[in-house]
Amino acid sequence: QKEVEQNSGPLSVPEGAIASLNCTYSDRGSQSFFWYRQYSGKSPELIMFIYSNGDKEDGRFTAQLNKASQYVSLLIRDSQPSDSATYLCASATDSWGKLQFGAGTQVVVTP
Amino acid sequence: DTAVSQTPKYLVTQMGNDKSIKCEQNLGHDTMYWYKQDSKKFLKIMFSYNNKELIINETVPNRFSPKSPDKAHLNLHINSLELGDSAVYFCASSQDRDRYSGNTIYFGEGSWLTVV
Repeated sequence: QKEVEQNSGPLSVPEGAIASLNCTYSDRGSQSFFWYRQYSGKSPELIMFIYSNGDKEDGRFTAQLNKASQYVSLLIRDSQPSDSATYLCASATDSWGKLQFGAGTQVVVTP
Repeated sequence: DTAVSQTPKYLVTQMGNDKSIKCEQNLGHDTMYWYKQDSKKFLKIMFSYNNKELIINETVPNRFSPKSPDKAHLNLHINSLELGDSAVYFCASSQDRDRYSGNTIYFGEGSWLTVV
């Protein structure tokens, strides 16, 4: 059973619209949650992390965490073509960096 | 300056061969990792070292052997390569923090291994 689940997409989003990405996790011991962006042929880069229930905003990105529902989401406002990438959700149960990744959601922003 | 660098970037080799991938980080981090990303883009941890000590060893065939000569280097040696070993191998590093600070992991650019 996969511990972190994401819709694989592709998620097609018009330029300027809001992209909404969802992620669920099965390990209730998970403490921290991360969103990574990965362009094709490149390495993952961290966008945001969140550990408390509620919303966390950083620029055009907002992460939302609901531990009761075991649900994490990422909103991308004012989507740009440069946001076209695969977005990886990950969870961690401790500080050692053993991240459990989802398979990623491909986002395609269309002009 | 590249923070986490790994070599080679591309590697094509025959089944049964032995190969190594080298990784170095200049961030001063205490922890280094090897992650494997398969053809379905699923990224999975293989090993983690903290100050040269192995702390995470996932269910990985013992043909894979990591070595950390110092905390800035973590190499991966693979014996008797198999077709299923074809994947992208990412080296990564992080500084130990608690969950409130966010244990940001920085990834290298990846090593594309193709076994033929």
